[in-house]
Amino acid sequence: TQLLEQSPQFLSIQEGENLTVYCNSSSVFSSLQWYRQEPGEGPVLLVTVVTGGEVKKLKRLTFQFGDARKDSSLHITAAQPGDTGLYLCAGDGANDYKLSFGAGTTVTVRA
Amino acid sequence: DAGVIQSPRHEVTEMGQEVTLRCKPISGHNSLFWYRQTMMRGLELLIYFNNNVPIDDSGMPEDRFSAKMPNASFSTLKIQPSEPRDSAVYFCASSFELLVGTGGVANQPQHFGDGTRLSIL
Repeated sequence: TQLLEQSPQFLSIQEGENLTVYCNSSSVFSSLQWYRQEPGEGPVLLVTVVTGGEVKKLKRLTFQFGDARKDSSLHITAAQPGDTGLYLCAGDGANDYKLSFGAGTTVTVRA
Repeated sequence: DAGVIQSPRHEVTEMGQEVTLRCKPISGHNSLFWYRQTMMRGLELLIYFNNNVPIDDSGMPEDRFSAKMPNASFSTLKIQPSEPRDSAVYFCASSFELLVGTGGVANQPQHFGDGTRLSIL
């Protein structure tokens, strides 16, 4: 059972469209990290959100941490083919040394 | 700075053979993680080390799997004997974990290697 549930599992959109990926849990996290993984490579950190209600922007990517620190979302505006990849969220419970990863959302942006 | 280095990148071997995966973490990092990734199960944590000491190996699937970290710059994950169901991409990641004043741990971002794609025939 995944501690973090990500939805949707797959997302295919046309270049220029917007998309939102969700990461939900019944557990509270002290912080949450978002990673992107491209084929043949390891996950690479995009952002860490720490404060409940926090919103962080990274160019066309907007990350939000829920007020209760149980959920998060990633919104991409005007998606480009370079945004294609597997997006993973990972929660930090702060009680140990490990992160809990969601199953990921595979995003495909068609040119 | 060099990132996490894993070797080999690809490994194809026959069932029953011993497989050894290697990882060099980022210098200065004090935590090391081994993950397995498959389409069916996603990214699974197998084991993690802090300051070269195994902290949690509850994700190791069977006694056929073992991991060592003899020093701060090297770790191995060994499968003996290997089985077809072990086929997956194995990732090593490292990070620097901070102890915070409340007795908790502030997890820093994990830096992943590019993985070893393992195929057991």
